Amino acid sequence: GAVVSQHPSRVICKSGTSVKIECRSLDFQATTMFWYRQFPKQSLMLMATSNEGSKATYEQGVEKDKFLINHASLTLSTLTVTSAHPEDSSFYICSARDGRGTEAFFGQGTRLTVV
Amino acid sequence: GIQVEQSPPDLILQEGANSTLRCNFSDSVNNLQWFHQNPWGQLINLFYIPSGTKQNGRLSATTVATERYSLLYISSSQTTDSGVYFCAVEQIDSWGKLQFGAGTQVVVTP
Repeated sequence: GAVVSQHPSRVICKSGTSVKIECRSLDFQATTMFWYRQFPKQSLMLMATSNEGSKATYEQGVEKDKFLINHASLTLSTLTVTSAHPEDSSFYICSARDGRGTEAFFGQGTRLTVV
Repeated sequence: GIQVEQSPPDLILQEGANSTLRCNFSDSVNNLQWFHQNPWGQLINLFYIPSGTKQNGRLSATTVATERYSLLYISSSQTTDSGVYFCAVEQIDSWGKLQFGAGTQVVVTP
């Protein structure tokens, strides 16, 4: 299957700082990537759709100014959590698929802790 | 939006036992996938199965799209099967966006 790589796997940051998470498709080009969030003991919730060369689209209730998404190339999408607060602590995971109607593959996820 | 319900929420199995996990969804879908989330959070693709039946080793899955449900079968369970199993669906006209069920927490005891 396709390989999606996410970095870092774990990050601790101070309140008020920003954190960037990278998501790369290693063996295919992805015009669209997706960012999900998972709180402890809960399911995954879609946050936003990252579109190469255009603005991301955000799900209802997700603050676009807090979660900045950039999809500058066909293999890289980044999620920046700006002015992080403890309530932003969560598991963030990205996905991509290599064509319409094919399965989604997920990165390893990033565990963010804001102190 | 589409509702995805998984049952049971928790399952405790003795090693060697068989089990069935169920996923019901409330509307027609383009795609359906089953995942296993390991203790480190990694989502492992098990099946891409919008319809029909597939088998992979001790695991198999069946999706009956017309009746809006999917089943995941685990046979001869092993301790390494422990973890959370998620069903996720892609609603028609929502290309690429997956709606996840709440998951089934599986614990396999020696």
